[in-house]
Amino acid sequence: DGGITQSPKYLFRKEGQNVTLSCEQNLNHDAMYWYRQDPGQGLRLIYYSQIVNDFQKGDIAEGYSVSREKKESFPLTVTSAQKNPTAFYLCASSTTGAKTEAFFGQGTRLTVV
Amino acid sequence: SQKIEQNSEALNIQEGKTATLTCNYTNYSPAYLQWYRQDPGRGPVFLLLIRENEKEKRKERLKVTFDTTLKQSLFHITASQPADSATYLCALDAYNFNKFYFGSGTKLNVKP
Repeated sequence: DGGITQSPKYLFRKEGQNVTLSCEQNLNHDAMYWYRQDPGQGLRLIYYSQIVNDFQKGDIAEGYSVSREKKESFPLTVTSAQKNPTAFYLCASSTTGAKTEAFFGQGTRLTVV
Repeated sequence: SQKIEQNSEALNIQEGKTATLTCNYTNYSPAYLQWYRQDPGRGPVFLLLIRENEKEKRKERLKVTFDTTLKQSLFHITASQPADSATYLCALDAYNFNKFYFGSGTKLNVKP
């Protein structure tokens, strides 16, 4: 079945550590996205990529980094520079062009301990 | 910057009634607007898309309207069921940007 897979589902990080969240899709989509969701808030865009080897900062990119070496993969690294990393992280993909819907993974809940 | 507003208060309705959720936006001229459903602890799931030149779109028990003058979209669920209980998010895009901006969502509770 085609879809988008995030792993792990739950992740615990110690203060000062970098952690990497995985996102893989087999939908042959060019565009991929990372969002952060906090309780009672909407999805905020961290980074997005419309093509391999290219990506752009979203609204809250500070403290995060990404790579897009393969079309299927868009990993997100939460660095120690991110001051408040505890949140629900969602990866999505879509085709490019008009009238595209986003397909989301099941999310990764990151907790700093 | 663009701003998308959805009612943060939960909407509680009785089974069988019509639920109506609102999405307002400012500082923005979206090419189209989308509605998603999100269940607790899960990623959003796409429901409907409506373009700026469409006034209304329907899919089974769902109906979406889009008023670009009022900068508002209404999302209706007719004959609501307890299984419709979830958070509903609206999302906007713009021409050639392929970025999706989401509202904070409205939680719908359908009581039997």
